[in-house]
Amino acid sequence: AQSVTQLDSHVSVSEGTPVLLRCNYSSSYSPSLFWYVQHPNKGLQLLLKYTSAATLVKGINGFEAEFKKSETSFHLTKPSAHMSDAAEYFCVVSRRSGGGADGLTFGKGTHLIIQP
Amino acid sequence: SAVISQKPSRDICQRGTSLTIQCQVDSQVTMMFWYRQQPGQSLTLIATANQGSEATYESGFVIDKFPISRPNLTFSTLTVSNMSPEDSSIYLCSVGVGTANTEAFFGQGTRLTVV
Repeated sequence: AQSVTQLDSHVSVSEGTPVLLRCNYSSSYSPSLFWYVQHPNKGLQLLLKYTSAATLVKGINGFEAEFKKSETSFHLTKPSAHMSDAAEYFCVVSRRSGGGADGLTFGKGTHLIIQP
Repeated sequence: SAVISQKPSRDICQRGTSLTIQCQVDSQVTMMFWYRQQPGQSLTLIATANQGSEATYESGFVIDKFPISRPNLTFSTLTVSNMSPEDSSIYLCSVGVGTANTEAFFGQGTRLTVV
């Protein structure tokens, strides 16, 4: 079975400083991993996805994540936080080898707070 | 990509009643999914709905409580039956798109409050 652990329930950074949201995964096969963002009262939006291609994945809005198999990690980063980045972020693993939207397992989420 | 419309966006219901949530997609998709997000929690998969077959339910979810219909490739419904306050959640519809359904898109969700 697969699972994801988001190591921080809340992260607070100042505007203009780097963002790091941590995620560790567990999977019995080569996983596909995703980061989704959920703004207040809005739907989920895909930030980026890893599906066994390049280990450094670039997403929308300046976010990127690096897949590290040796550390079973998929941390999300952004060089400079913006006020509009304040939201809930979910690390997600696909339960199907080779990726896919079939039966995603969500982490508990990290609430990102941006201080002015 | 896919644009997903869910109705209603929110509702307040009496315990013991049932609510049917509709999910409409702007393109034909093979796989549709229903998730639940309880207050302050993450998303949990309820079931997978494929057109032309019975929905497949995850552990802890049963058809009698959450009957699902999938009459065609662009539409699905989820019914929350005999509701109790514990059913108060956001219910989200999701679809898989792309080669091998490699990307999931989500509706805005239905915020259900049971009183």
